[in-house]
Amino acid sequence: GAVVSQHPSRVICKSGTSVKIECRSLDFQATTMFWYRQFPKQSLMLMATSNEGSKATYEQGVEKDKFLINHASLTLSTLTVTSAHPEDSSFYICSVQGSGNTIYFGEGSWLTVV
Amino acid sequence: EDQVTQSPEALRLQEGESSSLNCSYTVSGLRGLFWYRQDPGKGPEFLFTLYSAGEEKEKERLKATLTKKESFLHITAPKPEDSATYLCAVRWWDTGNQFYFGTGTSLTVIP
Repeated sequence: GAVVSQHPSRVICKSGTSVKIECRSLDFQATTMFWYRQFPKQSLMLMATSNEGSKATYEQGVEKDKFLINHASLTLSTLTVTSAHPEDSSFYICSVQGSGNTIYFGEGSWLTVV
Repeated sequence: EDQVTQSPEALRLQEGESSSLNCSYTVSGLRGLFWYRQDPGKGPEFLFTLYSAGEEKEKERLKATLTKKESFLHITAPKPEDSATYLCAVRWWDTGNQFYFGTGTSLTVIP
Protein backbone atom coordinates (compact mmCIF):
# COMPACT_ATOMS: atom_id res chain seq x y z
CA GLY A 1 0.00 0.00 0.00
CA ALA A 2 0.90 3.65 -0.29
CA VAL A 3 3.47 4.96 2.13
CA VAL A 4 3.10 8.61 1.17
CA SER A 5 -0.11 10.36 0.18
CA GLN A 6 -0.07 13.58 -1.81
CA HIS A 7 -3.00 15.85 -2.54
CA PRO A 8 -4.23 17.18 -4.87
CA SER A 9 -3.01 15.05 -7.74
CA ARG A 10 -3.89 17.77 -10.23
CA VAL A 11 -4.61 21.45 -9.74
CA ILE A 12 -5.16 24.36 -12.08
CA CYS A 13 -4.86 27.87 -10.74
CA LYS A 14 -4.90 31.36 -12.12
CA SER A 15 -1.74 33.36 -12.44
CA GLY A 16 -1.11 35.39 -9.31
CA THR A 17 -2.95 33.10 -6.94
CA SER A 18 -1.48 30.68 -4.42
CA VAL A 19 -1.93 26.94 -4.27
CA LYS A 20 -1.20 24.47 -1.49
CA ILE A 21 -0.05 20.87 -1.92
CA GLU A 22 -0.22 18.43 0.99
CA CYS A 23 2.08 15.50 1.66
CA ARG A 24 1.17 12.93 4.29
CA SER A 25 3.34 10.17 5.63
CA LEU A 26 1.11 7.17 6.21
CA ASP A 27 3.54 4.60 7.58
CA PHE A 28 6.26 6.62 9.24
CA GLN A 29 6.60 9.46 11.63
CA ALA A 30 8.61 11.71 9.40
CA THR A 31 10.78 14.35 10.99
CA THR A 32 12.08 15.02 7.52
CA MET A 33 10.27 15.19 4.21
CA PHE A 34 11.59 16.25 0.83
CA TRP A 35 10.01 18.26 -1.96
CA TYR A 36 11.04 17.69 -5.55
CA ARG A 37 10.14 19.24 -8.85
CA GLN A 38 10.21 17.41 -12.14
CA PHE A 39 9.99 18.85 -15.64
CA PRO A 40 8.85 16.68 -18.54
CA LYS A 41 11.39 14.01 -19.45
CA GLN A 42 13.81 15.25 -16.85
CA SER A 43 14.91 13.83 -13.54
CA LEU A 44 13.87 14.95 -10.10
CA MET A 45 15.24 18.20 -8.74
CA LEU A 46 15.36 18.57 -4.98
CA MET A 47 13.74 21.84 -3.97
CA ALA A 48 13.85 21.72 -0.22
CA THR A 49 14.09 19.55 2.86
CA SER A 50 11.14 19.97 5.19
CA ASN A 51 11.95 19.68 8.89
CA GLU A 52 9.25 19.07 11.47
CA GLY A 53 8.93 21.97 13.86
CA SER A 54 11.60 24.11 12.21
CA LYS A 55 12.36 25.98 9.03
CA ALA A 56 12.81 24.17 5.77
CA THR A 57 16.20 23.98 4.12
CA TYR A 58 16.08 25.19 0.54
CA GLU A 59 18.39 24.19 -2.28
CA GLN A 60 20.38 26.81 -4.08
CA GLY A 61 18.28 28.73 -6.57
CA VAL A 62 14.94 27.88 -5.00
CA GLU A 63 13.04 30.93 -3.77
CA LYS A 64 11.93 30.31 -0.21
CA ASP A 65 9.41 33.16 -0.32
CA LYS A 66 7.77 31.68 -3.37
CA PHE A 67 7.72 28.06 -2.28
CA LEU A 68 6.55 28.10 1.32
CA ILE A 69 7.00 24.87 3.21
CA ASN A 70 5.34 24.05 6.48
CA HIS A 71 5.98 20.85 8.41
CA ALA A 72 3.67 21.19 11.38
CA SER A 73 3.41 17.56 12.40
CA LEU A 74 5.27 14.28 12.02
CA THR A 75 2.91 13.18 9.27
CA LEU A 76 2.15 16.31 7.28
CA SER A 77 4.18 18.73 5.21
CA THR A 78 2.70 21.32 2.88
CA LEU A 79 4.14 23.20 -0.07
CA THR A 80 2.47 26.48 -0.99
CA VAL A 81 3.31 28.03 -4.32
CA THR A 82 2.66 31.73 -3.83
CA SER A 83 1.78 34.22 -6.56
CA ALA A 84 1.98 31.44 -9.09
CA HIS A 85 3.07 32.12 -12.65
CA PRO A 86 2.90 29.88 -15.73
CA GLU A 87 6.58 29.02 -15.37
CA ASP A 88 5.73 27.41 -12.02
CA SER A 89 3.67 24.81 -13.86
CA SER A 90 5.33 21.51 -13.13
CA PHE A 91 5.08 18.14 -11.43
CA TYR A 92 5.77 18.42 -7.70
CA ILE A 93 6.60 15.31 -5.71
CA CYS A 94 7.17 14.84 -2.01
CA SER A 95 9.03 12.05 -0.32
CA VAL A 96 9.55 10.62 3.13
CA GLN A 97 12.56 8.85 4.55
CA GLY A 98 11.54 5.42 5.73
CA SER A 99 13.42 2.55 7.26
CA GLY A 100 16.73 1.40 5.85
CA ASN A 101 17.82 4.78 4.55
CA THR A 102 15.27 4.61 1.73
CA ILE A 103 13.00 7.40 0.62
CA TYR A 104 9.46 6.79 -0.56
CA PHE A 105 7.66 9.10 -2.93
CA GLY A 106 4.14 10.37 -3.14
CA GLU A 107 2.12 10.11 -6.32
CA GLY A 108 2.97 13.67 -7.28
CA SER A 109 0.91 16.77 -7.97
CA TRP A 110 0.51 18.35 -11.39
CA LEU A 111 0.29 22.10 -11.16
CA THR A 112 -0.90 24.11 -14.14
CA VAL A 113 -0.90 27.87 -13.86
CA VAL A 114 -3.05 29.62 -16.45
CA GLU B 1 30.42 16.74 -14.07
CA ASP B 2 27.35 14.63 -13.41
CA GLN B 3 27.77 12.53 -10.32
CA VAL B 4 25.19 9.93 -11.35
CA THR B 5 24.92 8.82 -14.95
CA GLN B 6 22.40 6.41 -16.36
CA SER B 7 22.59 4.62 -19.70
CA PRO B 8 21.11 4.10 -22.11
CA GLU B 9 18.78 7.07 -22.15
CA ALA B 10 16.12 5.00 -23.88
CA LEU B 11 15.79 1.30 -24.56
CA ARG B 12 13.31 -0.62 -26.69
CA LEU B 13 13.04 -4.34 -26.16
CA GLN B 14 10.94 -7.07 -27.62
CA GLU B 15 8.89 -8.94 -25.07
CA GLY B 16 11.12 -11.67 -23.64
CA GLU B 17 14.36 -9.97 -24.71
CA SER B 18 16.51 -9.61 -21.58
CA SER B 19 18.80 -6.62 -21.09
CA SER B 20 20.51 -4.44 -18.50
CA LEU B 21 20.37 -0.80 -17.48
CA ASN B 22 23.41 0.94 -16.09
CA CYS B 23 23.91 3.51 -13.33
CA SER B 24 27.43 4.77 -12.74
CA TYR B 25 28.62 7.19 -10.07
CA THR B 26 31.78 9.18 -9.61
CA VAL B 27 32.09 9.86 -5.90
CA SER B 28 33.35 7.53 -3.19
CA GLY B 29 31.79 7.06 0.22
CA LEU B 30 28.55 5.47 -0.95
CA ARG B 31 25.80 5.44 1.62
CA GLY B 32 23.27 3.72 -0.59
CA LEU B 33 22.21 3.28 -4.19
CA PHE B 34 18.52 3.18 -4.96
CA TRP B 35 16.48 2.06 -7.95
CA TYR B 36 13.02 3.41 -8.65
CA ARG B 37 10.46 2.83 -11.35
CA GLN B 38 8.43 5.80 -12.56
CA ASP B 39 5.34 5.52 -14.72
CA PRO B 40 4.24 8.59 -16.71
CA GLY B 41 2.55 11.16 -14.50
CA LYS B 42 3.25 9.23 -11.30
CA GLY B 43 5.70 9.48 -8.45
CA PRO B 44 8.67 7.08 -8.41
CA GLU B 45 8.02 3.65 -6.95
CA PHE B 46 10.77 2.17 -4.82
CA LEU B 47 12.40 -1.01 -6.14
CA PHE B 48 15.72 -1.70 -4.43
CA THR B 49 18.39 -0.36 -2.10
CA LEU B 50 21.98 -1.55 -2.41
CA TYR B 51 24.65 -0.68 0.11
CA SER B 52 27.91 -2.42 -0.73
CA ALA B 53 29.81 -3.82 -3.69
CA GLY B 54 28.80 -7.37 -4.48
CA GLU B 55 25.30 -6.98 -3.15
CA GLU B 56 22.37 -8.19 -5.26
CA LYS B 57 18.62 -7.80 -4.88
CA GLU B 58 15.85 -9.46 -6.88
CA LYS B 59 12.19 -8.84 -7.42
CA GLU B 60 10.23 -10.77 -10.03
CA ARG B 61 11.94 -10.09 -13.39
CA LEU B 62 14.30 -7.48 -11.98
CA LYS B 63 17.69 -7.96 -10.41
CA ALA B 64 19.93 -5.15 -9.20
CA THR B 65 23.67 -5.53 -8.69
CA LEU B 66 26.32 -3.19 -7.34
CA THR B 67 30.04 -2.74 -7.89
CA LYS B 68 32.33 -0.02 -6.55
CA LYS B 69 31.49 2.40 -9.35
CA GLU B 70 28.25 1.26 -10.91
CA SER B 71 25.02 -0.63 -10.59
CA PHE B 72 23.10 -2.68 -13.10
CA LEU B 73 19.40 -3.35 -13.26
CA HIS B 74 18.93 -6.59 -15.13
CA ILE B 75 15.55 -7.25 -16.68
CA THR B 76 14.90 -10.88 -17.54
CA ALA B 77 12.23 -11.77 -20.11
CA PRO B 78 10.51 -8.39 -19.85
CA LYS B 79 6.81 -7.90 -20.42
CA PRO B 80 5.03 -4.83 -21.79
CA GLU B 81 3.98 -3.89 -18.25
CA ASP B 82 7.66 -3.39 -17.40
CA SER B 83 7.65 -0.33 -19.67
CA ALA B 84 8.51 2.70 -17.53
CA THR B 85 11.35 5.04 -16.70
CA TYR B 86 13.86 3.53 -14.29
CA LEU B 87 15.64 5.99 -12.03
CA CYS B 88 18.81 5.48 -10.09
CA ALA B 89 19.64 7.61 -7.05
CA VAL B 90 22.76 7.72 -4.92
CA ARG B 91 23.34 8.93 -1.42
CA TRP B 92 26.77 9.64 0.06
CA TRP B 93 27.88 9.83 3.66
CA ASP B 94 29.12 13.41 3.41
CA THR B 95 26.06 14.91 1.74
CA GLY B 96 23.50 14.51 4.49
CA ASN B 97 19.97 14.03 3.21
CA GLN B 98 20.72 14.77 -0.40
CA PHE B 99 19.87 12.11 -2.97
CA TYR B 100 21.46 12.52 -6.40
CA PHE B 101 19.28 11.23 -9.19
CA GLY B 102 20.29 10.13 -12.63
CA THR B 103 18.22 11.23 -15.60
CA GLY B 104 16.68 7.81 -15.99
CA THR B 105 16.35 5.14 -18.64
CA SER B 106 13.07 5.04 -20.52
CA LEU B 107 12.25 1.40 -21.19
CA THR B 108 9.69 0.32 -23.76
CA VAL B 109 8.83 -3.35 -24.08
CA ILE B 110 7.08 -4.19 -27.32
CA PRO B 111 4.62 -7.11 -27.38
